Amino acid sequence: DTGVSQNPRHKITKRGQNVTFRCDPISEHNRLYWYRQTLGQGPEFLTYFQNEAQLEKSRLLSDRFSAERPKGSFSTLEIQRTEQGDSAMYLCASSLRGFTWNAEAFFGQGTRLTVV
Amino acid sequence: AQTVTQSQPEMSVQEAETVTLSCTYDTSESDYYLFWYKQPPSRQMILVIRQEAYKQQNATENRFSVNFQKAAKSFSLKISDSQLGDAAMYFCAYRSAGETSGSRLTFGEGTQLTVNP
Repeated sequence: DTGVSQNPRHKITKRGQNVTFRCDPISEHNRLYWYRQTLGQGPEFLTYFQNEAQLEKSRLLSDRFSAERPKGSFSTLEIQRTEQGDSAMYLCASSLRGFTWNAEAFFGQGTRLTVV
Repeated sequence: AQTVTQSQPEMSVQEAETVTLSCTYDTSESDYYLFWYKQPPSRQMILVIRQEAYKQQNATENRFSVNFQKAAKSFSLKISDSQLGDAAMYFCAYRSAGETSGSRLTFGEGTQLTVNP
């Protein structure tokens, strides 16, 4: 296992189009997180899953955003009717559930979305 | 809600010298974890060092150490013997020890570190 994998690495789309990103977490990790990072800023939490259940969604996640994690393995993040303000790096991270250092989050390389 | 503040958008250091990156945070919780993450130009976030709030001893990982001041809510990162490979964006992050937050991280704005040869 080589870590958290995200695809695609880059996506350019026209405003109004739908896009979907994929995240493959570390195989034994039961928690999966999505963050959004705009240029020059720190990542902001969007949502997280424990196994297949989506347990929390940030207010940043508008109705145009939807995330799934079928079967508790990979996850997809879909943005409908993209807007220029959606341009950002979308980061995925995974961890084990817990309160110790075992819950350390490992990040993927991210998907950079550019909406033109 | 917790907040994390990094007041230094950019820092620079000469190779082999020491640099300290600042971080303050605000929380009403007594038990939590603090982290420093490094994000090189390739963009993958890498954990540098971590600190448990209930531990008074400052964490150390090779050339990286922290100065954790719980009462002041301060968590600075010291990089000794700086190397060219240390050049990156550094993020300070907070994680609640409780279950309600789901172990999600709250990040600061980041500090861009330049290492000059």
